[in-house]
Amino acid sequence: GQQLNQNPQSMFIQEGEDVSMNCTSSSIFNTWLWYKQDPGEGPVLLIALYKAGELTSNGRLTAQFGITRKDSFLNISASIPSDVGIYFCAGLNTGTASKLTFGTGTRLQVML
Amino acid sequence: GAGVSQSPSNKVTEKGKDVELRCDPISGHTALYWYRQRLGQGLEFLIYFQGNSAPDKSGLPSDRFSAERTGESVSTLTIQRTQQEDSAVYLCASSSGQLAGGPFPHEQYFGPGTRLTVT
Repeated sequence: GQQLNQNPQSMFIQEGEDVSMNCTSSSIFNTWLWYKQDPGEGPVLLIALYKAGELTSNGRLTAQFGITRKDSFLNISASIPSDVGIYFCAGLNTGTASKLTFGTGTRLQVML
Repeated sequence: GAGVSQSPSNKVTEKGKDVELRCDPISGHTALYWYRQRLGQGLEFLIYFQGNSAPDKSGLPSDRFSAERTGESVSTLTIQRTQQEDSAVYLCASSSGQLAGGPFPHEQYFGPGTRLTVT
């Protein structure tokens, strides 16, 4: 099935640095969700975006719903060790089907 | 509990055997989803339930895969005659669903998954 492209695939950063990642699709979605997955766990919902152009924050996380509805961005400010994990974007078209189409994931590792 | 639960957490089976994976959604959530995650990859949609009907089965990879749901609660994913390529983590998610109303009906909450290994 379709998977959304996420960039970068992985990143090593220093504690305290800001992080940016993006997700792109060949088709339009009307909802974007960002999840974080720790080893051996299911994904945990971080942020949900419902309107093109919307910018939403959750603590140190900020996500944007691209104006074309084909992309989304996630920023993490002042990274800390517990930010380590895999971040997945997911697109959803609520009008036709409720299944999430997931991105390929961005693996984040934080160096102390 | 308050979250989605799945059992077993790990399952090792021999090729050719049948397996059943169980999901208990969040109480009151009408929508339930099954996804598969192969090692190092993202999640692939398998099937979606609204109540106990399955309007979208498009992700089931073959007729060896089937799923049932009892009312608006437990769901079972069954894989018959397992193959080595079925080895993956199987994740279940639930959401309150459009029919239930509420502000965020489409936000899906995931269980911890069942890690299936076919030897």
